Amino acid sequence: AQRVTQPEKLLSVFKGAPVELKCNYSYSGSPELFWYVQYSRQRLQLLLRHISRESIKGFTADLNKGETSFHLKKPFAQEEDSAMYYCALSGRMFSGGYNKLIFGAGTRLAVHP
Amino acid sequence: NAGVTQTPKFQVLKTGQSMTLQCAQDMNHNSMYWYRQDPGMGLRLIYYSASEGTTDKGEVPNGYNVSRLNKREFSLRLESAAPSQTSVYFCASSEVRGPTGELFFGEGSRLTVL
Repeated sequence: AQRVTQPEKLLSVFKGAPVELKCNYSYSGSPELFWYVQYSRQRLQLLLRHISRESIKGFTADLNKGETSFHLKKPFAQEEDSAMYYCALSGRMFSGGYNKLIFGAGTRLAVHP
Repeated sequence: NAGVTQTPKFQVLKTGQSMTLQCAQDMNHNSMYWYRQDPGMGLRLIYYSASEGTTDKGEVPNGYNVSRLNKREFSLRLESAAPSQTSVYFCASSEVRGPTGELFFGEGSRLTVL
């Protein structure tokens, strides 16, 4: 069964400190992984996806298939990074080849001044 | 550009009452989804619709029904609400035939069942 685990419910750091939000997954096939973010009073939105290997708002995430992890990192946290972060997995397991995202429980990042 | 629009934004029900959450998207997406968000459990998929005319169960479908009315609209119905259905409900859509898998979410509907 596919599963996404985010072990930390809350991560509290000071501004300027490094941040690492952990995500582990289980999936038998070749996964596609994403990080979604929900800022206060805003819609849930895509932050980044592993296939793009991009850096968004200073965040990066590398897919480690050996450790089945997709941790989100940022070298210097900013107060505006405070939000709820969700790791999500998409597996092409369904008829028609369409995606269905499975989300982790989420980690709340609090960046203090 | 409205994106994904959900109504109502807030609703209070009594146990046993029924209601329908409405969702519409204007991005011409094929696929639509209903998730519920609960503290400590993240987002869990209730039902999804890969394309107009098809619907399938997700992780937590019990107590819910859905209708894909047309390509734009995907409604979620609670026939007999229970306190366990108190949650924030999110509708989402995507153009899934491709590797991106990006979902576009509505603002959410907060439902309280007393």
